[in-house]
Amino acid sequence: GAVVSQHPSWVICKSGTSVKIECRSLDFQATTMFWYRQFPKQSLMLMATSNEGSKATYEQGVEKDKFLINHASLTLSTLTVTSAHPEDSSFYICSARVPLAGGTDTQYFGPGTRLTVL
Amino acid sequence: QKEVEQDPGPLSVPEGAIVSLNCTYSNSAFQYFMWYRQYSRKGPELLMYTYSSGNKEDGRFTAQVDKSSKYISLFIRDSQPSDSATYLCAMVKAAGNKLTFGGGTRVLVKP
Repeated sequence: GAVVSQHPSWVICKSGTSVKIECRSLDFQATTMFWYRQFPKQSLMLMATSNEGSKATYEQGVEKDKFLINHASLTLSTLTVTSAHPEDSSFYICSARVPLAGGTDTQYFGPGTRLTVL
Repeated sequence: QKEVEQDPGPLSVPEGAIVSLNCTYSNSAFQYFMWYRQYSRKGPELLMYTYSSGNKEDGRFTAQVDKSSKYISLFIRDSQPSDSATYLCAMVKAAGNKLTFGGGTRVLVKP
């Protein structure tokens, strides 16, 4: 099956610094990737849709200047949390769109990145 | 009202029992249905997908869709402690659209 990796798996940073999270599709090309945020015991919250070679589409309420997304190649999307604050501490998960038989598609997810902002 | 409703659990069963999970949805535009398993502090893993009413079986897992009732189910036979996880249903209206997730059901299989 399709494999998606994320790096780093866990990051701790000081308030005010920026953190970059990488999402890679390892054995396939992904024109569309997604970034989610998940708080403890809650479901996934879609932050933005990342399309290779174009600007990301952000969900309502997500600050695009704070969460910078770059999808420069067919196998790599990055999420940069700028000027991170403790309230940005969360579990960030990326996914890649993969076509399925039957005319639809689904998403394969990375293992997630746990961000802790002190 | 959420578009997709899922009981959060936790659902606790003894090892070997059948686990029964379900989701209801309100929008008949949903056409494709998926089940994901998520272990603690890991990304979701796709278990099954289906796009027609009826049953689909894969090993110990059976996915069931009833579009007329807007109801989907996942059954896990011969449950194992390793099945302890959160199970998320997801659905999409058409290819290329965003997934809409249920809130997830936490399952605990006790040895």
